[in-house]
Amino acid sequence: EVELVESGGGLIQPGGSLRLSCAASGFTVSSNYMSWVRQAPGKGLEWVSVIYSGDSTYYADSVKGRFTISRDNSKNTLYLQMNSLRAEDTAVYYCARSPKYCTGGSCYLPHFDSWGQGTLVTVSS
Amino acid sequence: EIVLTQSPGTLSLSPGDRATLSCRASQSVSSRFLAWYQQKPGQAPRLLIYGASSRATGIPDRFSGSGSGTDFTLTISRLEPEDFAVYYCQQYDSSPTWTFGQGTKVEFK
Repeated sequence: EVELVESGGGLIQPGGSLRLSCAASGFTVSSNYMSWVRQAPGKGLEWVSVIYSGDSTYYADSVKGRFTISRDNSKNTLYLQMNSLRAEDTAVYYCARSPKYCTGGSCYLPHFDSWGQGTLVTVSS
Repeated sequence: EIVLTQSPGTLSLSPGDRATLSCRASQSVSSRFLAWYQQKPGQAPRLLIYGASSRATGIPDRFSGSGSGTDFTLTISRLEPEDFAVYYCQQYDSSPTWTFGQGTKVEFK
């Protein structure tokens, strides 16, 4: 059974740093395409970052240059290093897996089929 | 960037009613790249529909998706008490970017 468990959230002052973790079971993180998606309190969903099985990483413009996604294959765990945190980064952060579909020589990651329960990050003085 | 607009913002219905939720894209979206999620309070989103019309594993057949181009629809044929939740549409482009609509809340009338 696929399971994702996030941890590392908490209260942090503006300008501070925090590292989130997402421990996976039932599948291998390094062979999959893993994202972080966040949800500000009472708001909708916002994709934050993705790491490909081949180690490529991509970020939303809102976090580019401040957040870094990575993984530890030995621990089957995904991370999100968040620096220079701002009040607008306050949200529940979910890790999520994307299945890969390939057709005509191109591959796509069209949706998220598994989600963790989320961890709350509050940026406030 | 493609913007997804969901309507209505809130749908007030009773168990047994039919629910029709709309998702409109600011430009054409491949049907392969349109998904729907359900989210209940305090829970993570759950994938309902992918490829605009394919049900995810374990999703009851009262949920159906349709549409193409810029207009997509999620239909719940007969609402069960556990279906009262917020529903999000989501699209993907290969840059890569995933964007979500702002959500439609289905509430008890």
